[in-house]
Amino acid sequence: DQQVKQNSPSLSVQEGRISILNCDYTNSMFDYFLWYKKYPAEGPTFLISISSIKDKNEDGRFTVFLNKSAKHLSLHIVPSQPGDSAVYFCAASPRGGGTSYGKLTFGQGTILTVHP
Amino acid sequence: KAGVTQTPRYLIKTRGQQVTLSCSPISGHRSVSWYQQTPGQGLQFLFEYFSETQRNKGNFPGRFSGRQFSNSRSEMNVSTLELGDSALYLCASSYPSLAGMETQYFGPGTRLLVL
Repeated sequence: DQQVKQNSPSLSVQEGRISILNCDYTNSMFDYFLWYKKYPAEGPTFLISISSIKDKNEDGRFTVFLNKSAKHLSLHIVPSQPGDSAVYFCAASPRGGGTSYGKLTFGQGTILTVHP
Repeated sequence: KAGVTQTPRYLIKTRGQQVTLSCSPISGHRSVSWYQQTPGQGLQFLFEYFSETQRNKGNFPGRFSGRQFSNSRSEMNVSTLELGDSALYLCASSYPSLAGMETQYFGPGTRLLVL
């Protein structure tokens, strides 16, 4: 049962345009959501996060939107740059302790390619 | 601040052997989580340690184990290696926060190849 889904395996965008990466989740206990960027054979790099009490969070060129009723979040990158080309993972964490400690549930990732 | 470090970066073992991977968290971080990344299964949670105690465990066989030391450094061990254990093993650390609201910072990973 895949609780976090990224339905688009890949996305291709022109430099300077907006990149929109999407993520859906099924577990209503998820309370904290994160986006990571990853290059091959490297560890994921944290980009931005959002808690369920918010519907939007911005950090520079990156904005994450959360729609709790639809169990959907998206990452917007504006403007996109060739250096943004990487695999992007969304991840979710449930509230509370117990089985939530230290456990992120990841989507399968979306490969973003930004063309010059 | 130095990031999460993992050693070794690359490892080749044969079936049946055992392996120990090491992780040093960001200074001040007390929680360490381990993940396995494979092409077929993606990133999967192995276990988490805090103050030398395992607080959470994923769905992996008992061949996978870990520990944490008083300085928050952590090791994971895989015994009786199988070909399917070939993967990128990632360690992540986080600062104590509200449970479920912690941002994890990842190390570069250890690439394990089992022949």
